[in-house]
Amino acid sequence: GQNIDQPTEMTATEGAIVQINCTYQTSGFNGLFWYQQHAGEAPTFLSYNVLDGLEEKGRFSSFLSRSKGYSYLLLKELQMKDSASYLCAVRDSNYQLIWGAGTKLIIKP
Amino acid sequence: NAGVTQTPKFRVLKTGQSMTLLCAQDMNHEYMYWYRQDPGMGLRLIHYSVGEGTTAKGEVPDGYNVSRLKKQNFLLGLESAAPSQTSVYFCASTQREDGSDEQYFGPGTRLTVT
Repeated sequence: GQNIDQPTEMTATEGAIVQINCTYQTSGFNGLFWYQQHAGEAPTFLSYNVLDGLEEKGRFSSFLSRSKGYSYLLLKELQMKDSASYLCAVRDSNYQLIWGAGTKLIIKP
Repeated sequence: NAGVTQTPKFRVLKTGQSMTLLCAQDMNHEYMYWYRQDPGMGLRLIHYSVGEGTTAKGEVPDGYNVSRLKKQNFLLGLESAAPSQTSVYFCASTQREDGSDEQYFGPGTRLTVT
């Protein structure tokens, strides 16, 4: 079966750095996405990786290792508004997105 | 641009009742999707469409039907609602299924079936 694993919840301090891991086992791989979802709202796109390595976008970076079936999202200089759930999704061989359950990130002052 | 809109935002149904959820997008996207989101689970694909007049089943299609008569609209129907269909429903759209094109999501419909 297809599976995406992420930690359920993480806590970090304002101004710090946090890394959210995602491991996947899917039938095929055609890219990995990270989305942010604030409570009661829709998911919004953060990043896309299809090749191994690091993609940086401002305070957010995403890393991919296809051989290990592993990705992480790195958030720097954390702000209170970063409190949200972070969803990892893998596009499989049928070009459908398989979603992880999400990691709830709690930022403390 | 409104992006992706969904109607209604909230609904309470009794078991056995029917309803239709409407999704509209103004980005001229080819692909549209209906997901449900339940606590502790990832988004699960119900049905999707690769273009006007076409629909296909996703991971959890039972109890739902869809139609895409116009490119901009994607309707999700529940013919006989069950408590197991209590969930948050999201519609999404994208122009391409490959490459870096992300899916754009509507605000969601919170459905409770009693």
